[in-house]
Amino acid sequence: DAGITQSPRYKITETGRQVTLMCHQTWSHSYMFWYRQDLGHGLRLIYYSAAADITDKGEVPDGYVVSRSKTENFPLTLESATRSQTSVYFCASSPGNPGGTIYFGEGSWLTVV
Amino acid sequence: DQQVKQNSPSLSVQEGRISILNCDYTNSMFDYFLWYKKYPAEGPTFLISISSIKDKNEDGRFTVFLNKSAKHLSLHIVPSQPGDSAVYFCAHRTNAGKSTFGDGTTLTVKP
Repeated sequence: DAGITQSPRYKITETGRQVTLMCHQTWSHSYMFWYRQDLGHGLRLIYYSAAADITDKGEVPDGYVVSRSKTENFPLTLESATRSQTSVYFCASSPGNPGGTIYFGEGSWLTVV
Repeated sequence: DQQVKQNSPSLSVQEGRISILNCDYTNSMFDYFLWYKKYPAEGPTFLISISSIKDKNEDGRFTVFLNKSAKHLSLHIVPSQPGDSAVYFCAHRTNAGKSTFGDGTTLTVKP
């Protein structure tokens, strides 16, 4: 049962570089999400997707780009990384029923220097 | 947009006693509330949820109460165990799927 996997788990990059965080789920869940968690803060929604080719902004979308060409993949791209984007990024998925449980990946630790 | 607020950053209780974690929300739309538990260096895991048409939902040691007039929900853990020590997040999910989380409450259960 692979579930939901994120890669890379740890990444150090330089300011201005493009970085892509990958997310893959094996459940064929309709919904997928990207959250970031900063020290002392909760989980803030960056983008979410209700189905392939359908994406929508969350609370903090600036500086990020997402795509969802296939149901199982939901990559998150930082087009020009900034130090303020140093964070732990969590990908998640859930079935399409209202109130469906959200399942999280283990997180990707990103440091921008 | 819905906002969920957890006003207590931390809570400490004795093993065997009740833990009560609180969450307030701003919008009265019909939707769902969920509670998640998170250990360090791991992703959050689902605990229990409640639909806004209900007042209470129970699953083993975990009970969630929803007070719609006060726009308040709470998670009760009885009895508390040391393994329950973690960060607890309340979350709101709309019927359209958008899900937002509170800032979390760190629960410490002392043996």
